[in-house]
Amino acid sequence: DIQMTQSPSTLSASVGDRVTITCRASQSLNTWLAWYQQKPGKAPKLLVFEASTLETGVPSRFSGSGSGTEFTLTISSLQPDDFATYYCQQYKSYRTFGQGTKVEIK
Amino acid sequence: VQLVESGGGLVQPGGSLRLSCAASGFMFWDYDMTWVRQAPGRGLEWVSTITNGNTGGTAFFADSVKGRFSVSRDNSENTLDLQMDSLRVEDTAIYYCAKDRKGAHYTSDWGQGTPVTVSS
Repeated sequence: DIQMTQSPSTLSASVGDRVTITCRASQSLNTWLAWYQQKPGKAPKLLVFEASTLETGVPSRFSGSGSGTEFTLTISSLQPDDFATYYCQQYKSYRTFGQGTKVEIK
Repeated sequence: VQLVESGGGLVQPGGSLRLSCAASGFMFWDYDMTWVRQAPGRGLEWVSTITNGNTGGTAFFADSVKGRFSVSRDNSENTLDLQMDSLRVEDTAIYYCAKDRKGAHYTSDWGQGTPVTVSS
């Protein structure tokens, strides 16, 4: 089974900050990785697929990068609407989610 | 795209429950469909995926539910079902029905979720 490890678990930041979330896989995924955003009481929302392709309608301040076993999700300038929990998910072999990163207000 | 789950509720350990998902707004037959769950205060966990009608509706399951859960789809009624047997306390979660991106293995659209509580 492929294990996914996200860091940090919690991130405190201010509006306007540049934020980076890291996701590491236990084996190479090539670029078979997606990122989701989830707000309390809501279903997740797809942000990025194939490691770096932004989903239609997602603001350009979001970007994904990486390949193999290490991936990052970056928010270039944090906005009030971005305070949420973010999950990576591998889909090279079945599906596995990371444990999530909560982005909270500093 | 609209995905509406139903069937959640309270069940005793060892019991069974059947969740349904009514899909609309897309060619249901053409898409793989997935169930994902989220235990209270916890992260997301993939549960099951069933492939589209073109590929025979093959089902895959997480190890945590294999042998206890089954999944089926009715492509004429645009519905997806998750049959959950031998339920355990640790199966307590919100269960989301989700549609995969066509030809890909990640989910692009999600329902609002239905809560399942396993407790005596």
